[in-house]
Amino acid sequence: EAGVTQFPSHSVIEKGQTVTLRCDPISGHDNLYWYRRVMGKEIKFLLHFVKESKQDESGMPNNRFLAERTGGTYSTLKVQPAELEDSGVYFCASSLRQGLAGMHYEQYFGPGTRLTVT
Amino acid sequence: SQQGEEDPQALSIQEGENATMNCSYKTSINNLQWYRQNSGRGLVHLILIRSNEREKHSGRLRVTLDTSKKSSSLLITASRAADTASYFCATAPSSGNTGKLIFGQGTTLQVKP
Repeated sequence: EAGVTQFPSHSVIEKGQTVTLRCDPISGHDNLYWYRRVMGKEIKFLLHFVKESKQDESGMPNNRFLAERTGGTYSTLKVQPAELEDSGVYFCASSLRQGLAGMHYEQYFGPGTRLTVT
Repeated sequence: SQQGEEDPQALSIQEGENATMNCSYKTSINNLQWYRQNSGRGLVHLILIRSNEREKHSGRLRVTLDTSKKSSSLLITASRAADTASYFCATAPSSGNTGKLIFGQGTTLQVKP
């Protein structure tokens, strides 16, 4: 079974440009998450999809970030326009459906996309 | 907001020794998970312990959870050079209907052959 895949693995763009990151979750995983780690800081949650719906987008830093998951399969995260502070590693993760009483399942992470904004 | 803290930040041991990493958190949780990240690679899920569990084992890994102290520890026994990596704890908050994980800063483990 294929794991979570992310594309591209690296992206170098100039400030003000647009970048779109893609994540393909494990087949059958309804839950999809985006996280990022900026240099020297902890991994931070961005948002959570359940199928195509945004369950929690409390971690999105500002309106320059737009996440979509059309059809409930793969997801994209667009940064427009990119700023220097957006540089970091963007991780995607997926998990099975949540169980009862808010129980959670293991999240399986992709290899990440390293974004460098110059 | 909740922030996990891990201790120590860096650990260097000899192959064959045991490695212990600690994690503290601030709010109520559903579960706590440990992940490993090898240099330049993605996060690999190691073990999940639920809030009503106190100890869990998986191979050479032993995880404990003390919800009264809001802390967890990860013990790697008989370490190997291949265990060299960064280790992160991540908590799943019990409040709100969210699946987000809150990560600690991580512990960098170096196992010398």
